Amino acid sequence: QLQLRESGPGLVKPSETLSLICTVPGDSINRSNYYWGWIRQPPGKGLEWMGSIYYSGTTYDNPSLKSRVAISVDTSRKQFSLKLSSVTAADTAVYYCARHFRVAGSLGDFDLWGRGTLVTVSA
Amino acid sequence: IVLTQSPATLSLSPGQRATLSCRASQSVGTYLAWYQHKPGQAPRLLIYEASNRATGIPPRFSGSGSGTDFTLIISSLEPEDFAVYYCQQRSNWLTFGGGTKVEIK
Repeated sequence: QLQLRESGPGLVKPSETLSLICTVPGDSINRSNYYWGWIRQPPGKGLEWMGSIYYSGTTYDNPSLKSRVAISVDTSRKQFSLKLSSVTAADTAVYYCARHFRVAGSLGDFDLWGRGTLVTVSA
Repeated sequence: IVLTQSPATLSLSPGQRATLSCRASQSVGTYLAWYQHKPGQAPRLLIYEASNRATGIPPRFSGSGSGTDFTLIISSLEPEDFAVYYCQQRSNWLTFGGGTKVEIK
């Protein structure tokens, strides 16, 4: 089955910027009926949606992350990326990228995920 | 919107029926989905819009509810069903519940 793939450093120092890339199989990144999102799961905790992007570049961010999140898309490379600035130990988590439906112009449910990548914030 | 799932853990045997609950802090209509998550794997969409099975999901999984109270039922647990289950709403941004772990008794 098709699956997204996350890549990036597994260790980031406090106060630095966490950067991850998600590679999308096939050509669906250009399709108008999908958004592309990032979700994370701190150890022992539940899932948290961080933000999403449309192929045009329009972004939707979780307000609770207070503008630390930047998501971009490169359709020519079939990739979208996450940058999380000023990280602390609380940002240690498994980070997932996922595809979700565009339903009547709004964010829909996630139908395709990556396996996730663990990012640890530590000096 | 806060989603509260109960119980936190459900200990059952294969063949038994599993009933999982998800309660929203305010109405989400039917904009609720359920996911299955196994360690080291990608989460899998089971149910969307409260009661619709996603592609390829077997009929032993069923969802119901609207407004603030939702239920996921697994009618007869198969060995591969032991996992963590999350609900997620899309009525107001996107939030997930804390999860219910279905473990083998």
